[in-house]
Amino acid sequence: EAGVVQSPRYKIIEKKQPVAFWCNPISGHNTLYWYRQNLGQGPELLIRYENEEAVDDSQLPKDRFSAERLKGVDSTLKIQPAELGDSAVYLCASSPQGGSTDTQYFGPGTRLTVL
Amino acid sequence: GQQVMQIPQYQHVQEGEDFTTYCNSSTTLSNIQWYKQRPGGHPVFLIQLVKSGEVKKQKRLTFQFGEAKKNSSLHITATQTTDVGTYFCAGREYGNKLVFGAGTILRVKS
Repeated sequence: EAGVVQSPRYKIIEKKQPVAFWCNPISGHNTLYWYRQNLGQGPELLIRYENEEAVDDSQLPKDRFSAERLKGVDSTLKIQPAELGDSAVYLCASSPQGGSTDTQYFGPGTRLTVL
Repeated sequence: GQQVMQIPQYQHVQEGEDFTTYCNSSTTLSNIQWYKQRPGGHPVFLIQLVKSGEVKKQKRLTFQFGEAKKNSSLHITATQTTDVGTYFCAGREYGNKLVFGAGTILRVKS
């Protein structure tokens, strides 16, 4: 079974430029998560989808971040415009149902560097 | 809001020594999960604890959930070089999202 797929793996951009990350969850997983992991910190949830519905986006900086999961499968996270402080690893994870005891399976992440 | 703290931040042990990391939540949890992240890798699920006072073992790893469901620990017996990485606890309040601690970095000297 294929794991969570993310692309690109690395991205270097200048500040004020836009950037997008893509995630394809494990087949059959209804719940998809985007996390941001800063150096030396644990993952911090940005947004959670149940199928195509965003059910928790309270931590998403909505002035510059947007996300979509149009068909309830793969998802895109966008930053526009990027700031220096956005440099981090962006992790996508999926779980079967999103229940309180679900295990989350993480992708390899996209390491973003904003210059 | 909910906070999850882990100590120590970093531990360097000699191969064969034991290692313990502790996790404390500011609120009562419905469950707690532990993840391991190898250097340059992504978090990988290790185990979940749900019941008060629960103890689970995986080979040399022992996981405990406190009686009050606000703290947890991970103990590794006789560390090996393959144990290196960052160990994260992640706690979930009832009905809420998973909140990760900052992790404990384990280095093992051979």
